[in-house]
Amino acid sequence: NAGVTQTPKFQVLKTGQSMTLQCAQDMNHNSMYWYRQDPGMGLRLIYYSASEGTTDKGEVPNGYNVSRLNKREFSLRLESAAPSQTSVYFCASSDHSGAHTDTQYFGPGTRLTVL
Amino acid sequence: QKEVEQDPGPLSVPEGAIVSLNCTYSNSAFQYFMWYRQYSRKGPELLMYTYSSGNKEDGRFTAQVDKSSKYISLFIRDSQPSDSATYLCAMSANAGGTSYGKLTFGQGTILTVHP
Repeated sequence: NAGVTQTPKFQVLKTGQSMTLQCAQDMNHNSMYWYRQDPGMGLRLIYYSASEGTTDKGEVPNGYNVSRLNKREFSLRLESAAPSQTSVYFCASSDHSGAHTDTQYFGPGTRLTVL
Repeated sequence: QKEVEQDPGPLSVPEGAIVSLNCTYSNSAFQYFMWYRQYSRKGPELLMYTYSSGNKEDGRFTAQVDKSSKYISLFIRDSQPSDSATYLCAMSANAGGTSYGKLTFGQGTILTVHP
C-alpha cells in the first residue's frame, strides 16, 4: 500500500498564478484533510471532507478551494496565489471505524513557494 | 490564546537522556490525545494515542494525560539520535457533527539528540 500520496512534491509559483495540489489515499478511508504547516504555527486545517461528497472549511480556508473527486482523491486549488500562501501543504486521511478514532495518516507534503 | 500550546524548543539533549515534551490546552471537550513525530522533510506519523486521562507506555515512550490540569506529556527514555525530530501534540473532541475527526495541533517541539 502506498498510503497517502501527494503531487507535486515541490512547486514555485508567481503571484496570481493558479494551481491544484493532488492527494490520493488507498486505505479506503472516509475522511480526508488539507493542512498547511508554517514555522512556529504547527499544522493548521484548511479544509476537510468527512465523507465522499462533503467538504467543510477548517481554520484557514481563505484563498483555497477543494474538491472531493471520489473516495480516494481530494484536491486543493489555489485560484490566485499570494506570497502568504508559501508553505508546506499536507494531505491526510482517517477512518473512524477502527480502534484509533481520529488517527490521521499523512502524505509526504508539497513545498510551495509563491514569489 | 491558542487552544493548544506547545513549547517549540529547540531542545537538545545527549544520547541516553530522558526527554520530557509537554502541551497545555484550554478546551475541556478534548478527549483524544495524540503525539505525532515528524522527521525533517517528511509528513507527521502517529507515535502515541491516549483516550481521556492516564498513562500509556510503548517501549521507550510514555504518554501522560492529566485532564484536570489540561496538560499532556510525552516522555522518551534512553533517547537515541534517531529520535531527533519534531514532536507535535494533537487533540480531538470527537463530539460528533462538524467536529468529528478534526484535530487541533500544537506548534511542535524540535528535538535533537546528539551522540
